[in-house]
Amino acid sequence: LAKTTQPISMDSYEGQEVNITCSHNNIATNDYITWYQQFPSQGPRFIIQGYKTKVTNEVASLFIPADRKSSTLSLPRVSLSDTAVYYCLVGGWGNEKLTFGTGTRLTIIP
Amino acid sequence: GAVVSQHPSRVICKSGTSVKIECRSLDFQATTMFWYRQFPKKSLMLMATSNEGSKATYEQGVEKDKFLINHASLTLSTLTVTSAHPEDSSFYICSATHHTEHEKLFFGSGTQLSVL
Repeated sequence: LAKTTQPISMDSYEGQEVNITCSHNNIATNDYITWYQQFPSQGPRFIIQGYKTKVTNEVASLFIPADRKSSTLSLPRVSLSDTAVYYCLVGGWGNEKLTFGTGTRLTIIP
Repeated sequence: GAVVSQHPSRVICKSGTSVKIECRSLDFQATTMFWYRQFPKKSLMLMATSNEGSKATYEQGVEKDKFLINHASLTLSTLTVTSAHPEDSSFYICSATHHTEHEKLFFGSGTQLSVL
C-alpha cells in the first residue's frame, strides 16, 4: 500500500488559492490518487480523483506530475467553509483496503 | 453520486451494553464495506473490511469478538460494539466501494459513540 505524506496543517486567507501537496513515492502502476474532505463529526467527502496529468472539476483541480510520486490539490478562491481536513489517498481500488495518512488541517482566515 | 447511509449518528450507552451501527448503500450494491474508527483530531483508522456473505477481515489489534461485523446483503453492513466500555467511545465511520465505480470510496456520515 502506497504511503502518503502531507503537511499537518495550513492556513490561508479567504479568496486565495490554496495548494496542498501530497507525496507518494512508492505509488504503484495501477494506483489512483484521490482526495477527500472531512468536516468535524462527519464522514469524508470525495473531492477529486486522478491518475496522471491534470484533472479539474467544479470544486478543485488535481495536478499530477509525470512520475506520479506526488500530487497537488488546488482549491481556487477559498472561503471559510473550506476549513476542513483534507486527505490524500492512493490505491488501486477494487476491493482493496486503504490507509489514511495524517491529512492536512486547512484553516481559512477571514 | 452514490449515497451511504449510516445510523445512528449519535448514541450514548451505559458501560456493558452492546450497540449496533448500520451502514447502508442506498442506491448501489456494495460488495465491500470498510469500518473505521476516529479519535478527536486524529486520522481514520481502518478496523475491518467487510465482504458480503463472508467473514470480515480485521486489522491487527482490533478485537473481532468486541467489534462484530455482519455483511448479510449487498446493501447493508452492521458493526456491533459488544459489552461497550468508556474506552470504546469514538467516532465510527463506514465506507463502501461502488460495484461499478471501483476507484471511489463513499462514506457514511459517521456515528459518535459515547459510553458512560
